[in-house]
Amino acid sequence: AQRVTQPEKLLSVFKGAPVELKCNYSYSGSPELFWYVQYSRQRLQLLLRHISRESIKGFTADLNKGETSFHLKKPFAQEEDSAMYYCALGPRYNNAGNMLTFGGGTRLMVKP
Amino acid sequence: SQTIHQWPATLVQPVGSPLSLECTVEGTSNPNLYWYRQAAGRGLQLLFYSVGIGQISSEVPQNLSASRPQDRQFILSSKKLLLSDSGFYLCAWRGPRDDPYNEQFFGPGTRLTVL
Repeated sequence: AQRVTQPEKLLSVFKGAPVELKCNYSYSGSPELFWYVQYSRQRLQLLLRHISRESIKGFTADLNKGETSFHLKKPFAQEEDSAMYYCALGPRYNNAGNMLTFGGGTRLMVKP
Repeated sequence: SQTIHQWPATLVQPVGSPLSLECTVEGTSNPNLYWYRQAAGRGLQLLFYSVGIGQISSEVPQNLSASRPQDRQFILSSKKLLLSDSGFYLCAWRGPRDDPYNEQFFGPGTRLTVL
């Protein structure tokens, strides 16, 4: 069964501090991992995906298959990073509905 | 470009009343469509998904139902609302199965309060 765990419901840091939002997954096949973000009064939107190996708004995430993790990191947090972050898992194959499994979400608060 | 709409934006309904939330997508054909509920402290829960007209799959047993009468229209319904149906309902779409990008695009959501 697929499962995504985000152990922290709330993460509060000061501006300029490093940020790490944790995500662990459980899946026996070949996973595709995503981070979605929801800023205040905005739609839920894709932040980044592991297959792109990109950095968006200073955030990066590396898929660690050995630890089954996909933690989201940023070296220096900004106040505008305050938002709700969701980690999502989507099997790359044999998924007729192309469904994503979402974690419970972590609210990031960046204090001035 | 593709867009996704949901209405109403907010809804306050008494317990036992019916529900109909609508989602429409523009600018794409044969999308996969999804209904999620975002409850406070409980993350994003997939309720239904559809890979085509009239094809609905339910992920969790509940008081709700879904229908897809047209290719780009997805409706979430209930005959009798419960207090526990309160929440933020999100509709999402992505390309059909052969679309190489697995990204889902979300609508603005409907805030439902059942009193």
